Amino acid sequence: DAMVIQNPRYQVTQFGKPVTLSCSQTLNHNVMYWYQQKSSQAPKLLFHYYDKDFNNEADTPDNFQSRRPNTSFCFLDIRSPGLGDAAMYLCATSRFSGGIYGYTFGSGTRLTVV
Amino acid sequence: RKEVEQDPGPFNVPEGATVAFNCTYSNSASQSFFWYRQDCRKEPKLLMSVYSSGNEDGRFTAQLNRASQYISLLIRDSKLSDSATYLCVVSSGYALNFGKGTSLLVTP
Repeated sequence: DAMVIQNPRYQVTQFGKPVTLSCSQTLNHNVMYWYQQKSSQAPKLLFHYYDKDFNNEADTPDNFQSRRPNTSFCFLDIRSPGLGDAAMYLCATSRFSGGIYGYTFGSGTRLTVV
Repeated sequence: RKEVEQDPGPFNVPEGATVAFNCTYSNSASQSFFWYRQDCRKEPKLLMSVYSSGNEDGRFTAQLNRASQYISLLIRDSKLSDSATYLCVVSSGYALNFGKGTSLLVTP
């Protein structure tokens, strides 16, 4: 089935040790998004790609970077994870910008920083 | 002011009850509106889009009032499986803005 796949489902990393989360999609959607969701909070948009065009939210820390080598894959790199970066990271896709038809979410990666 | 505001609840209701959630949004230029459902420690899943004329999907009815910038979700005949967090979501430009969600617990 067409879907958005995130790996791994659970990731434990050490304080300050770089970590990469991955997302792939078989939907051929133009837009891929990364959201951070902390406990009992709304998902917060970190950045998104419209095709190859990268769009960073103004309040996304520099510690967070992203790569989209092709239509199917998108990566979230956290250069020096802190304890405050522990969260669920959600990848989502949509056919068009603005998600006017809604998003398709991956199952998320839950990041623990020790 | 947050872009999308919801009463966090929790709403505790007995099986078979009718329950309504409300949501307000701040950007009058918002274009698209949705309700998502999120189960504990899972990803959000689209429950339904919300149209200006109001729309219904089985036991779920969504309403939009653009003048008041207000969205609602009504769940009739609640089931145990409806227990989840319901996220109000508004599209304003290039991305979706999420409310913090309203927690629903349906009890036997």
